[in-house]
Amino acid sequence: AQSVSQHNHHVILSEAASLELGCNYSYGGTVNLFWYVQYPGQHLQLLLKYFSGDPLVKGIKGFEAEFIKSKFSFNLRKPSVQWSDTAEYFCAAANTNAGKSTFGDGTTLTVKP
Amino acid sequence: EAGVVQSPRYKIIEKKQPVAFWCNPISGHNTLYWYLQNLGQGPELLIRYENEEAVDDSQLPKDRFSAERLKGVDSTLKIQPAELGDSAVYLCASSLGDGTDTQYFGPGTRLTVL
Repeated sequence: AQSVSQHNHHVILSEAASLELGCNYSYGGTVNLFWYVQYPGQHLQLLLKYFSGDPLVKGIKGFEAEFIKSKFSFNLRKPSVQWSDTAEYFCAAANTNAGKSTFGDGTTLTVKP
Repeated sequence: EAGVVQSPRYKIIEKKQPVAFWCNPISGHNTLYWYLQNLGQGPELLIRYENEEAVDDSQLPKDRFSAERLKGVDSTLKIQPAELGDSAVYLCASSLGDGTDTQYFGPGTRLTVL
């Protein structure tokens, strides 16, 4: 069965620190990959996505992610976090053959001012 | 553009009572999803509709859960009877394309079963 693993359950950083959140998926075929973010009190929203083309994708608010097919990974990065980045981050993988998406369990990011 | 609308936002019921949640997707979005989200976990798909057809309901506990999307627009998810373990957030999402496309989420309904 398709699965998505997020390595870190809770990450605590100080402002200006660099961020990398891990995401691995299990499906070996063609996938669409997503990072969603849920800010406190708000609903889930798209941060960035990869469907095809350049494996380094850029999203909103300075976030980027790199698709590494050989590692089944889609890690999220940001060079310098801000207090306003405090949120929960979910990685999702969509199996294009089965037409369905699977979400990871999320990583809670706390940025200390 | 209006987002995905869900109601109610919060619901508290006693076990064995029925409960229903309503979702109105973004206009023009053919695919609608119902997810269950427990604390500390990611959304888990309950059912996915493409227009009015339920194309993936393999994770829907059909003994107590039911859903409908009669005209291919808004949708209702029902639980009857509710159990203590059903306490969770129920999310609705929609997408323009199929289940591999970007999903737009509603605010969710937080259900508490006492």
